[in-house]
Amino acid sequence: GAGVSQSPSNKVTEKGKDVELRCDPISGHTALYWYRQSLGQGLEFLIYFQGNSAPDKSGLPSDRFSAERTGGSVSTLTIQRTQQEDSAVYLCASSLIVGGQPQHFGDGTRLSIL
Amino acid sequence: SQQGEEDPQALSIQEGENATMNCSYKTSINNLQWYRQNSGRGLVHLILIRSNEREKHSGRLRVTLDTSKKSSSLLITASRAADTASYFCATALSNDYKLSFGAGTTVTVRA
Repeated sequence: GAGVSQSPSNKVTEKGKDVELRCDPISGHTALYWYRQSLGQGLEFLIYFQGNSAPDKSGLPSDRFSAERTGGSVSTLTIQRTQQEDSAVYLCASSLIVGGQPQHFGDGTRLSIL
Repeated sequence: SQQGEEDPQALSIQEGENATMNCSYKTSINNLQWYRQNSGRGLVHLILIRSNEREKHSGRLRVTLDTSKKSSSLLITASRAADTASYFCATALSNDYKLSFGAGTTVTVRA
């Protein structure tokens, strides 16, 4: 499709399990962003990629969170040993270039930790 | 910390009325953007206004920016039920990659 695609759309897992979230950005977009949105809240920035490189990982909440991007395209966000406070919607966005550009969002992955 | 703060948090209006929401921010910006989020969906970019612009229009949307007051407003004219959504402002700082989002204004348009 032409938009940003995220999978799975919903994920329910038990506390302590690892989860992997996938983002497929718009073709040709060099910048890719991950955000977290808790219920009724704004967006918390997690990490961004310029190509395959992640220059700033300071937004990741803990060392249980990691992300990678391969081929300048698909990105995966991995959460290890999930905790209940990780429950949120994880949104991915992409933009043509980095730097204050309009971002195109996927519909997110709704993660619920039991 | 959030750069942008929207006001009000929630707004309920009748179809056909205008809806106005405001965004205040703390530091100098390169541009300010408004996004819409329908329930259960991702954010959709509506409009971008640069720091050297004062007003911008797109269809039924009107955005103003007052850099001296560090504030912006979004006006939706002749609202429709389909405008029911949350609206977020996001600021882009100069020479920065990040967009900083506020907590949003939830708009409900009653038929």
